[in-house]
Amino acid sequence: DIQMTQSPSSVSASVGDRVTITCRASQGISSWLVWYQQKPGKAPKLLIYAASSLQSGVPSRFSGSGSGTDFTLTITSLQPEDFATYYCQQANSFPLTFGGGTKVEIK
Amino acid sequence: QGQLVESGGGVVQPGRSLNLSCAASGFTFSTYGIHWVRQAPGKGLEWVAVIWYDGSHKYYADSIKGRFTISRDNSKNTLYLQMNSLRDEDTAVYYCAKDRGGGGGSWQGAFDIWGQGTIVTVSS
Repeated sequence: DIQMTQSPSSVSASVGDRVTITCRASQGISSWLVWYQQKPGKAPKLLIYAASSLQSGVPSRFSGSGSGTDFTLTITSLQPEDFATYYCQQANSFPLTFGGGTKVEIK
Repeated sequence: QGQLVESGGGVVQPGRSLNLSCAASGFTFSTYGIHWVRQAPGKGLEWVAVIWYDGSHKYYADSIKGRFTISRDNSKNTLYLQMNSLRDEDTAVYYCAKDRGGGGGSWQGAFDIWGQGTIVTVSS
């Protein structure tokens, strides 16, 4: 199985900050990488698919990059509604696997 | 936009069975792959299973293989998860989630519509 490792596990940031979350796959997954946002008590929301494609309706301050084993989710100018937990997920092979999550908290 | 609504969760004793349903609306159900994803209390997301748009292919997580069965009825726009031999560690919120693709050559592996989740508690 492909292991997905996210870092950091949590980050404290202020409104307007730039936040970067990394995700590393235990083996190459080309661009088969997805990012989700989850708020407490809610279902996850798709942000980025195919490593860098922005899902329709998602603000352009969210962006994804990377290929192979190393990937990044960047939030430019953090907004109040962005405080949440973010997960990466590989879609290269079964079983699909998620990273452990990164909680973005208010500083 | 589309909507998914899960049902069938509840409290069940270890070793017993439960059948979850996921009703779809607002999109052409029969053309998309659908997944089950679960989240144990206070934990991260765990992918459970997927079924291709036509039911021709099914894949499972190792943790539930041989105990859970995913199926679908495209005439009823409904997805199912039959869960047998339930264990304490199966306690979680279970979400159904639509794939952006159908499977096979249109595989995407990204979940663009999620249900609200149904809670399964396995406890004696």
